Amino acid sequence: GENVEQHPSTLSVQEGDSAVIKCTYSDSASNYFPWYKQELGKGPQLIIDIRSNVGEKKDQRIAVTLNKTAKHFSLHITETQPEDSAVYFCAASIGGSGGSNYKLTFGKGTLLTVNP
Amino acid sequence: DAGITQSPRYKITETGRQVTLMCHQTWSHSYMFWYRQDLGHGLRLIYYSAAADITDKGEVPDGYVVSRSKTENFPLTLESATRSQTSVYFCASSRGQGAGYGYTFGSGTRLTVV
Repeated sequence: GENVEQHPSTLSVQEGDSAVIKCTYSDSASNYFPWYKQELGKGPQLIIDIRSNVGEKKDQRIAVTLNKTAKHFSLHITETQPEDSAVYFCAASIGGSGGSNYKLTFGKGTLLTVNP
Repeated sequence: DAGITQSPRYKITETGRQVTLMCHQTWSHSYMFWYRQDLGHGLRLIYYSAAADITDKGEVPDGYVVSRSKTENFPLTLESATRSQTSVYFCASSRGQGAGYGYTFGSGTRLTVV
């Protein structure tokens, strides 16, 4: 099955700095890569996603890049703010017909702390 | 209100008791999932369902039972609770099959088995 590795497990940055979280996946058939943000006491919330036919996607201060050859993808947060402090999860799934292609495999999460 | 709701938010139960965690979604999403979240393990899939009356095991199904008699409900039952099942449980739903359909998660149930 798919295996997703996520690094680092904890990340501390100063407000205004950039933060980068990296994930690798094992199954070359994976073609959908979402990122989730989990605030304290809440469920994970989808913040951005990317499909395998796209190399980069941006949404305001967050961006995701995908390198299919190396089987890794990254979340970039620029101009970090204290409200960005949360646990971030990457995930991967295999899209297409048949099989359990709707199942996401998650990384173990990164605790991001943005210091004022 | 539309959305996905879990109940209860908090539950304390004794070892050996049966406990059921509820999950209800109002979107008529076909796919529903149960995850547990533990420190150091991230989110681990317990069971999932592709439609009413269709369920399958995930990564850590032992000790759990699910049912899906109606599309909108997906209860998770711990048949005989153990301390190792102390965790935060999240239900999620997804509207589609194939790449590009993310999950929407509920707010979670924090279960403590004493």
